[in-house]
Amino acid sequence: GNSVTQMEGPVTLSEEAFLTINCTYTATGYPSLFWYVQYPGEGLQLLLKATKADDKGSNKGFEATYRKETTSFHLEKGSVQVSDSAVYFCALTLNSGAGSYQLTFGKGTKLSVIP
Amino acid sequence: DADVTQTPRNRITKTGKRIMLECSQTKGHDRMYWYRQDPGLGLRLIYYSFDVKDINKGEISDGYSVSRQAQAKFSLSLESAIPNQTALYFCATSDASGQLQETQYFGPGTRLLVL
Repeated sequence: GNSVTQMEGPVTLSEEAFLTINCTYTATGYPSLFWYVQYPGEGLQLLLKATKADDKGSNKGFEATYRKETTSFHLEKGSVQVSDSAVYFCALTLNSGAGSYQLTFGKGTKLSVIP
Repeated sequence: DADVTQTPRNRITKTGKRIMLECSQTKGHDRMYWYRQDPGLGLRLIYYSFDVKDINKGEISDGYSVSRQAQAKFSLSLESAIPNQTALYFCATSDASGQLQETQYFGPGTRLLVL
């Protein structure tokens, strides 16, 4: 089956530090890849996505590159801010053949940024 | 106003009680989803619906039922609540673009505690 593995948290960084959250996937086919973010007390929202190999998704200073050869989609940001404190979910969709595009999520990585 | 709303936001109930969680959306999307989130487990799909006449079981449908009353409304019921259904429940929507890269839009969540 399809699965997403992301690094265990929690991750605590100082403001302006460099962030990497690792994500690897297993998929029976060619997936689209996503990062969703959940701020405290809120639902998930899309952060960025990539739909084919070597695509780079970017938003709000975050980036992730679709690496088919390593089945990875690591999230990076050069300088984190306190406002980036949230839980980050890596996810994929794959056509299951029945016209559905179900999201498969990783377990989430909690990021805390301290001033 | 939020595009995807959930009621109630918090609910405490007792074992054996029947409860309903409601979701409404103003995005005009055909597809709607119910997920539960448990600490360390990410999000898991309970049920999904691609239109008013289409209901599908997700990964963990046992103990749950749903009703798609209209394009904009999708309710989740626990017929006889049990303590291991204590979780954070999210409703989500997406359009029926049929593309792998479709984005899901999440509500703010309902926190359910079953005593």
